[in-house]
Amino acid sequence: AAGVIQSPRHLIKEKRETATLKCYPIPRHDTVYWYQQGPGQDPQFLISFYEKMQSDKGSIPDRFSAQQFSDYHSELNMSSLELGDSALYFCASSIRLAGGQETQYFGPGTRLLVL
Amino acid sequence: AQKITQTQPGMFVQEKEAVTLDCTYDTSDPSYGLFWYKQPSSGEMIFLIYQGSYDQQNATEGRYSLNFQKARKSANLVISASQLGDSAMYFCAMRAKGGGFKTIFGAGTRLFVKA
Repeated sequence: AAGVIQSPRHLIKEKRETATLKCYPIPRHDTVYWYQQGPGQDPQFLISFYEKMQSDKGSIPDRFSAQQFSDYHSELNMSSLELGDSALYFCASSIRLAGGQETQYFGPGTRLLVL
Repeated sequence: AQKITQTQPGMFVQEKEAVTLDCTYDTSDPSYGLFWYKQPSSGEMIFLIYQGSYDQQNATEGRYSLNFQKARKSANLVISASQLGDSAMYFCAMRAKGGGFKTIFGAGTRLFVKA
């Protein structure tokens, strides 16, 4: 079965640079989520999109922005990168099932290192 | 406020034995879902099991079962017949209807399976 695809898998940037992370959800999934997981930390919710509209916002810095495109893929844009942005960035997708169950399936993550 | 608490930073279990990973949650929302994810050292986040707040029976998925005690607000994960490949970080997570689309995670429990 197709899974969530993220690219790139690894990214090295320098301070003050910009980065764009891409996410391709599981086909027919209508919701995309972005999470940030720092070293030794649990994942922190950043932002989500439902049917290409922003549906919820978490602890996403103003330097970050995201959008979901007509083909349902999503991009997380990160500007003025800081050392503390070094983390594993997960994209997850889901589809609402009968009974309200909505399991999120995670992509493999993009490991960002800011030097 | 919603919160997930995992009080066991690390656990050891002998291969072939069963192990219980604790998770308690806090929400005032009557409608919520509870999830367990496994994160191996490779970093990917693997969905294991889901329990809805209105589900009458405890969820089971192969060797994984969720001991859901609603009155005590606990959702412990039971892994039967542990295998060496079960060594990983395990996260308990929750999404409540009133919380929108965000999922909150516990701090995780690192499980070590001994041969």
